Amino acid sequence: GAVVSQHPSRVICKSGTSVKIECRSLDFQATTMFWYRQFPKQSLMLMATSNEGSKATYEQGVEKDKFLINHASLTLSTLTVTSAHPEDSSFYICSARGSGAKNIQYFGAGTRLSVL
Amino acid sequence: KQEVTQIPAALSVPEGENLVLNCSFTDSAIYNLQWFRQDPGKGLTSLLLIQSSQREQTSGRLNASLDKSSGRSTLYIAASQPGDSATYLCAVKGVKAAGNKLTFGGGTRVLVKP
Repeated sequence: GAVVSQHPSRVICKSGTSVKIECRSLDFQATTMFWYRQFPKQSLMLMATSNEGSKATYEQGVEKDKFLINHASLTLSTLTVTSAHPEDSSFYICSARGSGAKNIQYFGAGTRLSVL
Repeated sequence: KQEVTQIPAALSVPEGENLVLNCSFTDSAIYNLQWFRQDPGKGLTSLLLIQSSQREQTSGRLNASLDKSSGRSTLYIAASQPGDSATYLCAVKGVKAAGNKLTFGGGTRVLVKP
């Protein structure tokens, strides 16, 4: 199956710093990428959807100025958590979808963010 | 708005017993339904994907059924093993008119005791 690489897998940072998470589709062109957040023992919640070359569409309640998403190419999307605070500590997972007819999303391995 | 519910939230069985995990969704206008496995602190592993036109999919000891009209899917895992212990997530992909989004259920945490 298709491979989505997410980096880093774990990041610990001080409050107030910004953190960038990368999501790459390794063997297909991702026309659409999705960013999810997962709190402990909870399910995945969609944060935003981005199409290559366009601005991301954010879900209700997600601050677009805090969670900056860039989808500059068909194989790379980045999520930047700006001025991170302890409440932003969570598991972030990206997903990528190509243009195939089966409409399948492939998931990265996730990034554990801990803000001290 | 699509809502996906998984019952039970947690399940503990002795090794060898069959597992039955349930998933229900409120909007039957779906493109596909997918079952995932998630180990603690890890990402998602796709197990089975059922397109809206299909009624079931099988892979080894896993079988997933889909009844779109009643908004239900069931994941069967035969002859469970301790290595099957994980959280299982059901996710429904809406049709384009519904935003084409993947909506996840809350998951079922499974423990298979040796």
